[in-house]
Amino acid sequence: NAGVTQTPKFQVLKTGQSMTLQCAQDMNHEYMSWYRQDPGMGLRLIHYSVGAGITDQGEVPNGYNVSRSTTEDFPLRLLSAAPSQTSVYFCASSYGGGAEEKLFFGSGTQLSVL
Amino acid sequence: DAKTTQPTSMDCAEGRAANLPCNHSTISGNEYVYWYRQIHSQGPQYIIHGLKNNETNEMASLIITEDRKSSTLILPHATLRDTAVYYCIVRVNTGFQKLVFGTGTRLLVSP
Repeated sequence: NAGVTQTPKFQVLKTGQSMTLQCAQDMNHEYMSWYRQDPGMGLRLIHYSVGAGITDQGEVPNGYNVSRSTTEDFPLRLLSAAPSQTSVYFCASSYGGGAEEKLFFGSGTQLSVL
Repeated sequence: DAKTTQPTSMDCAEGRAANLPCNHSTISGNEYVYWYRQIHSQGPQYIIHGLKNNETNEMASLIITEDRKSSTLILPHATLRDTAVYYCIVRVNTGFQKLVFGTGTRLLVSP
């Protein structure tokens, strides 16, 4: 049981390049989400999904796209990377939401956009 | 959404109890208090949560005041590996568990 797996761990992009951050979970969780964390700040929600085929925007969605074709995978796409997207990205999952649910987080992807 | 206030940093000696306070004076009656921690650059880790009653698990204890306006996370015997940023979070009342992370308390456990 690997939990939440994120790849890559590190990535350097040039402005304007595109890439996809991968996130997979093997716990059969319905809910998945993406957060970004900037230095000295807490985590901010980018996008989330409450099940396969269903996604919604979080607090800071601009510049990012997501899709959820399977329960296991929730990739985050940067269509045209900008320096403001330099950050650490965390993917999280939970069983089904609700007041007593807890999140499981991946180990993060550190992204630098030059 | 209820907001939380935590001290920026705290120190604790190894083997002693670490008591981390959190104020959430605008919490609603059906909102839970959650605690997560983040050990240097890793993903946050769930610790404990509660609604009204005190809670205890293998990691920590959570004490919530009777008026629910504040709470304290207790690590009974802190170790060096407990050095981390601790986040006190009040769950936003939506179907999706949209946790709002603040800047947390940086706990330094020293020998």
